[in-house]
Amino acid sequence: GAVVSQHPSWVICKSGTSVKIECRSLDFQATTMFWYRQFPKQSLMLMATSNEGSKATYEQGVEKDKFLINHASLTLSTLTVTSAHPEDSSFYICSASGTGERGYTFGSGTRLTVV
Amino acid sequence: AQSVTQLDSHVSVSEGTPVLLRCNYSSSYSPSLFWYVQHPNKGLQLLLKYTSAATLVKGINGFEAEFKKSETSFHLTKPSAHMSDAAEYFCVVRGGGATNKLIFGTGTLLAVQP
Repeated sequence: GAVVSQHPSWVICKSGTSVKIECRSLDFQATTMFWYRQFPKQSLMLMATSNEGSKATYEQGVEKDKFLINHASLTLSTLTVTSAHPEDSSFYICSASGTGERGYTFGSGTRLTVV
Repeated sequence: AQSVTQLDSHVSVSEGTPVLLRCNYSSSYSPSLFWYVQHPNKGLQLLLKYTSAATLVKGINGFEAEFKKSETSFHLTKPSAHMSDAAEYFCVVRGGGATNKLIFGTGTLLAVQP
């Protein structure tokens, strides 16, 4: 079945630094990637949608300059949290959808802690 | 606009007893609906999906859900709970129009008592 690999699974960084999270589709071409944020004991909130080779579409209230999304290839998308602050600490999850693949495959998530 | 409402934030059952997790949807047309499960600090795993075929959908691990248009419901059931079923469950609807993004419910935390 379709597999999405997300790395790192957890990361601790200092306030003011940037963190990059990678999401790779291992056995299919991901034409669309979705990035979600999940606070403790809450649901997933969609941050942005990216199509390969195009600029990401951000949901209302999500700062595109703070959460940089790159989807340069059909198998890789990255989310960079720039100048991270403690309030950015959260669980980030990617999801990929491919052509002809009506399903959505989720990565295993990244726990970000900003200290 | 599409939306889903999960009626219970917490459900507790005893091992071996039936599970019922409730979900109601709102959609201006025939929706695509999903149930996902999330174990602590893990990603999401698809349990089952409804895409306008059979109204009774069978998923993995003994779960199934029935699409009832008259009730705008898509409740998740399992005849007999197992300890390993303890997790967070999300009812999800696919966004309509040109978008294919998923819209998540608020989740139901299932606890299974021995």
